[in-house]
Amino acid sequence: ELKVEQNPLFLSMQEGKNYTIYCNYSTTSDRLYWYRQDPGKSLESLFVLLSNGAVKQEGRLMASLDTKARLSTLHITAAVHDLSATYFCAVLNRDDKIIFGKGTRLHILP
Amino acid sequence: DAGVIQSPRHEVTEMGQEVTLRCKPISGHDYLFWYRQTMMRGLELLIYFNNNVPIDDSGMPEDRFSAKMPNASFSTLKIQPSEPRDSAVYFCASSLAEWTTGGYNEQFFGPGTRLTVL
Repeated sequence: ELKVEQNPLFLSMQEGKNYTIYCNYSTTSDRLYWYRQDPGKSLESLFVLLSNGAVKQEGRLMASLDTKARLSTLHITAAVHDLSATYFCAVLNRDDKIIFGKGTRLHILP
Repeated sequence: DAGVIQSPRHEVTEMGQEVTLRCKPISGHDYLFWYRQTMMRGLELLIYFNNNVPIDDSGMPEDRFSAKMPNASFSTLKIQPSEPRDSAVYFCASSLAEWTTGGYNEQFFGPGTRLTVL
């Protein structure tokens, strides 16, 4: 059974700092997703990572995938308050089901 | 495109009542998913459809829950009878099939229905 673990689950950081959110998963998969959820809102797709070594960047966010290590990272560069949200990683399992992690609640202090 | 549309946005009902949640996926999408989100359990996949056919309903908590997709543009999730522990936000999402590598692309989520069962 595929398990997806994120850490940390909660993160409070200062504006301007860099930080990384980690997503580990337990079985082989060739597709990983990152989503953002603002409080009281729906989920918004950020990145889809399809292959080992894939790297995608959008603004201050950069996601990467290491399928051998079963690890994805979401790196935040020079954080700004607008990036405060909950970030989910999700992994596609062999049965074509997406399994979500518990989410990382990110709070960026002005 | 208007995105995934869900109705109602909020529903308050009493225990024992029937609740029906509705979803209109993005036009042309092959997959439709129903999720439930709570603080305690996080985001749970309840059921998903491919081309209107239910593929996996192993996440449906019990027989009180049922879902249908009579056509490509409409799906319902029904709870009968409802219980207080069903209180949650229910999301519908849709996705396009990924024909080259199989599976599907990223999911587009609707705004959710916040259900409160008293």
